[in-house]
Amino acid sequence: DSGVTQTPKHLITATGQRVTLRCSPRSGDLSVYWYQQSLDQGLQFLIQYYNGEERAKGNILERFSAQQFPDLHSELNLSSLELGDSALYFCASSVATGVHEQFFGPGTRLTVL
Amino acid sequence: AQKVTQAQTEISVVEKEDVTLDCVYETRDTTYYLFWYKQPPSGELVFLIRRNSFDEQNEISGRYSWNFQKSTSSFNFTITASQVVDSAVYFCALSEMGPQGGKLIFGQGTELSVKP
Repeated sequence: DSGVTQTPKHLITATGQRVTLRCSPRSGDLSVYWYQQSLDQGLQFLIQYYNGEERAKGNILERFSAQQFPDLHSELNLSSLELGDSALYFCASSVATGVHEQFFGPGTRLTVL
Repeated sequence: AQKVTQAQTEISVVEKEDVTLDCVYETRDTTYYLFWYKQPPSGELVFLIRRNSFDEQNEISGRYSWNFQKSTSSFNFTITASQVVDSAVYFCALSEMGPQGGKLIFGQGTELSVKP
């Protein structure tokens, strides 16, 4: 158990809908990262937050947004969902910003029908 | 541009065989970090190792060992005396310093199947 929690574990929704994925980092970790894992794109970095502020952005679509709250949990919002958004979404946390070990949550499997 | 290549898509071995997973990376930075993660069938990503670009010493942890060679931009992972529980997808990843420091660039993964 990495200490990173993600909810829900599975999510099934329809095209055009909006969903929110939640992540709680390990105790003491200030950085949260979001990654998307799909068959065609592999594991891709989406976005990073550090202590409530956006730190780095990757291949994140405009339809996606994220935030980190004062208690350090983070949410990834996906809107106007398309079939291609079906993927496993991972949250990871690390102690600080910069290059540290990242510990991954169990992931949320999103299926868009 | 940064890139990680794991040329072996799938490897199948019989238990107790040694197996090496290859990882080749590309970066323009002189300071960077390399990682290996394991993704078992249950789906979570498990951290295995982090190595910085200034430390070329090989590392051994039980049956696992890592060979970092800057000259060939490779960071290979060897499992000695493989076991069925080693069956998983293994990912090599690269991270650079700088403003985007921390984001992991993953290779495509190598699926290792260890048969009894």
